[in-house]
Amino acid sequence: DTEVTQTPKHLVMGMTNKKSLKCEQHMGHRAMYWYKQKAKKPPELMFVYSYEKLSINESVPSRFSPECPNSSLLNLHLHALQPEDSALYLCASSQDREGANTGELFFGEGSRLTVL
Amino acid sequence: ELKVEQNPLFLSMQEGKNYTIYCNYSTTSDRLYWYRQDPGKSLESLFVLLSNGAVKQEGRLMASLDTKARLSTLHITAAVHDLSATYFCAVASRTQGGSEKLVFGKGMKLTVNP
Repeated sequence: DTEVTQTPKHLVMGMTNKKSLKCEQHMGHRAMYWYKQKAKKPPELMFVYSYEKLSINESVPSRFSPECPNSSLLNLHLHALQPEDSALYLCASSQDREGANTGELFFGEGSRLTVL
Repeated sequence: ELKVEQNPLFLSMQEGKNYTIYCNYSTTSDRLYWYRQDPGKSLESLFVLLSNGAVKQEGRLMASLDTKARLSTLHITAAVHDLSATYFCAVASRTQGGSEKLVFGKGMKLTVNP
């Protein structure tokens, strides 16, 4: 069982809708990530939060808006998406690299998004 | 910019056979990860390789890292059907702002036939 929980597992939305994806981890990790994965492609990094601060934004369009309310939670707010944004959205967490931490990412099961 | 290449990208092999797959990367890094992904599923961590010469084994899979050659190998021994999946390697990269991220290879789709 994954210790990174994502909801919802499936989401269908229209181009004018506003929705949110949610991610939660209880491993005490201080870094959280959003990845986007299209079929038969590798995951593409979107955002990284480190200690609740946005540390990486991979030039993601503003129709995707991340939020990290606390170190256990990560949201991705969606607004005015396009059909090409349909993909599997993966959340991940990791401990920072201090001490013996390995930087290993632990992934959630993903939220499969379809934009009509 | 770090580039990660996997070879081959597709592999069809028979049960019981051995094979080695490769992951090479373009700039210095001291950490490399292997992940497995089943169709429609998330990524499962297989190996974390943290130093030159690191070797890890789990069941029929063995991974190694040569940081000088910027190369990791994933060796499959006596393949079984359950190993059929897509395997990604990912390499740690530091951004200009000092943050760290993983750069993934394209993935290798493995099919093990009876």
